[in-house]
Amino acid sequence: AAGVIQSPRHLIKEKRETATLKCYPIPRHDTVYWYQQGPGQDPQFLISFYEKMQSDKGSIPDRFSAQQFSDYHSELNMSSLELGDSALYFCASSLRDRGVSPLHFGNGTRLTVT
Amino acid sequence: GENVEQHPSTLSVQEGDSAVIKCTYSDSASNYFPWYKQELGKGPQLIIDIRSNVGEKKDQRIAVTLNKTAKHFSLHITETQPEDSAVYFCAASRTDSGGYQKVTFGTGTKLQVIP
Repeated sequence: AAGVIQSPRHLIKEKRETATLKCYPIPRHDTVYWYQQGPGQDPQFLISFYEKMQSDKGSIPDRFSAQQFSDYHSELNMSSLELGDSALYFCASSLRDRGVSPLHFGNGTRLTVT
Repeated sequence: GENVEQHPSTLSVQEGDSAVIKCTYSDSASNYFPWYKQELGKGPQLIIDIRSNVGEKKDQRIAVTLNKTAKHFSLHITETQPEDSAVYFCAASRTDSGGYQKVTFGTGTKLQVIP
């Protein structure tokens, strides 16, 4: 079965640069979530989208923005990168009409800011 | 908002023994409790879940119990194997007034199964 695809798997950027992370949800899934996971930490919710509209917002810095496109893929744009932004970034998808349901995670993008 | 506490943070067991991980939640509106297993370099993967209208669910060596009154749920792994070694996260979910799912994760338990 198709899973959530994230690209790139690894990304190295310098301070103050920008980065774009991409997420392709499971086919027919209409909701996308973005999480940030620091070393040894639980995933921290950043933002979610349903049908291209922001559905919830967590601890996403103002330097970050995200959107969901008509084909349901999503992009997380990160600007003015800081050393503290180094983390694993996960995307997950689900189907809204199932109410509460499992999140299906991709294998993440490891961002390193130097 | 919801707060999920998870214990222990690390757990070492001998192969073949059982492992138990416990979580408590604060929001009585939470009605779905999934457990995720995260292996190194991978995203969390669902291993078992339970809804609030069920007290216990079992899938082979893995079981989950839920006590809604105490706002407490637990993961039980029996006959542990080295491949069970990973980080396990509990989570509590509910839908908000707009029908969107809100998920709160526990802080994770690093399970080590010693051969």
